[in-house]
Amino acid sequence: EVQLVESGGGLVQPGRSLRLSCAASGFTFDDYALHWVRQAPGKGLEWVSGISWNSGSTDYADSVKGRFTISRDNAKNSLYLQMNSLRAEDTAFYFCAKATCSTISCYTGAFDIWGQGTMVTFS
Amino acid sequence: DIQLTQSPSFLSASVGDRVTITCRASQGISSYLAWYQQKPGKAPKLLIYAASTLQSGVPSRFSGSGSGTEFTLTISSLQPEDFATYYCQQLNGYPLFTFGPGTKVDIK
Repeated sequence: EVQLVESGGGLVQPGRSLRLSCAASGFTFDDYALHWVRQAPGKGLEWVSGISWNSGSTDYADSVKGRFTISRDNAKNSLYLQMNSLRAEDTAFYFCAKATCSTISCYTGAFDIWGQGTMVTFS
Repeated sequence: DIQLTQSPSFLSASVGDRVTITCRASQGISSYLAWYQQKPGKAPKLLIYAASTLQSGVPSRFSGSGSGTEFTLTISSLQPEDFATYYCQQLNGYPLFTFGPGTKVDIK
């Protein structure tokens, strides 16, 4: 079964750090770019960050640039999001998503597989 | 930055109705647009990519059209399982993957 499973969310204090993980199975992990998308409670979807198949390219939304770092370990079929200097406005469900492309640019593609999400909240 | 707007933001419809949702981009994005369905407490599900290509496994009552700055998602005959929120997403410009604000489809 093709799936993505996030973990690592939780309660955090502003200014602190948190590392999210996303474990993949059921597809050839290192063939595809991966992304993080977040959704604040009751709000819409916001793309956060993306990484190409070989980690050669990464990109970030302006709202997290300089604070968040995306990475992947193809040997472990895992995606990560290191979140530093967290702010109250980072409160959200964080989804990992598989792109249909190997590169971050994916003009005629989309995000075809999503995890169930992990929640980051602030104390 | 490319901005996406959706209309309506909310619509109330009955089973069997034909439903159309519009997504407009602040500048041309060719056909680089996807549509997703999201139900409460669930992850988004890909419906349409490249503006009009139906994702494998998605019922044929869903269709997409448009290019440039105006796009539509149509549900030809609304089914009970289609009540959800629908988002468009652009894959053309920076920020790379902007989503629209969503359209909630509710039961009349």
